[in-house]
Amino acid sequence: DVKVTQSSRYLVKRTGEKVFLECVQDMDHENMFWYRQDPGLGLRLIYFSYDVKMKEKGDIPEGYSVSREKKERFSLILESASTNQTSMYLCASSPGTSYEQYFGPGTRLTVT
Amino acid sequence: GENVEQHPSTLSVQEGDSAVIKCTYSDSASNYFPWYKQELGKGPQLIIDIRSNVGEKKDQRIAVTLNKTAKHFSLHITETQPEDSAVYFCAASMDSGYSTLTFGKGTMLLVSP
Repeated sequence: DVKVTQSSRYLVKRTGEKVFLECVQDMDHENMFWYRQDPGLGLRLIYFSYDVKMKEKGDIPEGYSVSREKKERFSLILESASTNQTSMYLCASSPGTSYEQYFGPGTRLTVT
Repeated sequence: GENVEQHPSTLSVQEGDSAVIKCTYSDSASNYFPWYKQELGKGPQLIIDIRSNVGEKKDQRIAVTLNKTAKHFSLHITETQPEDSAVYFCAASMDSGYSTLTFGKGTMLLVSP
């Protein structure tokens, strides 16, 4: 079974802090994605990566950056956390030959 | 870019009834339409998908239909059970080479015993 793990299920940070959300997949997938999920807004794509060190902006990249130094690991970085970044963050991965995305359990981030 | 609208936002049915969730998409170039189920405390999981060269696909109690002309697709769940209670997301994708998906806003399905 494909497994996508996220470093924390719950995280509380203060405004202005630098926040790292980590995601690891164990199936050698080429593509990795970061989404945020908010009530009534569904899943919105923040960034994705199709290869090591490669990244592409999604629909809502402002306030976020990403890093992919190894194929299995994709990090989401909030340079200076703000209260409007309080949300559920979901990581996903997919093989290069398929559209199917495999999701992690999510990290619920609260910024106070 | 692609825009996916999903209705209804909430749906309550009695166990054994059918449930239908509908989505429309804006970009006629989209050619792949998956449905994901998200149970409480978990990430979304693919339950069924359909490509634009097919009009209907079934898998046991679930089916998806696609009308390319009208640019809409629907999820049908028959003989609903309490374990079908979850949030369902539709999505659409073009063959851009990056396998990105544009998701609808989700439907919370509640099946009452």
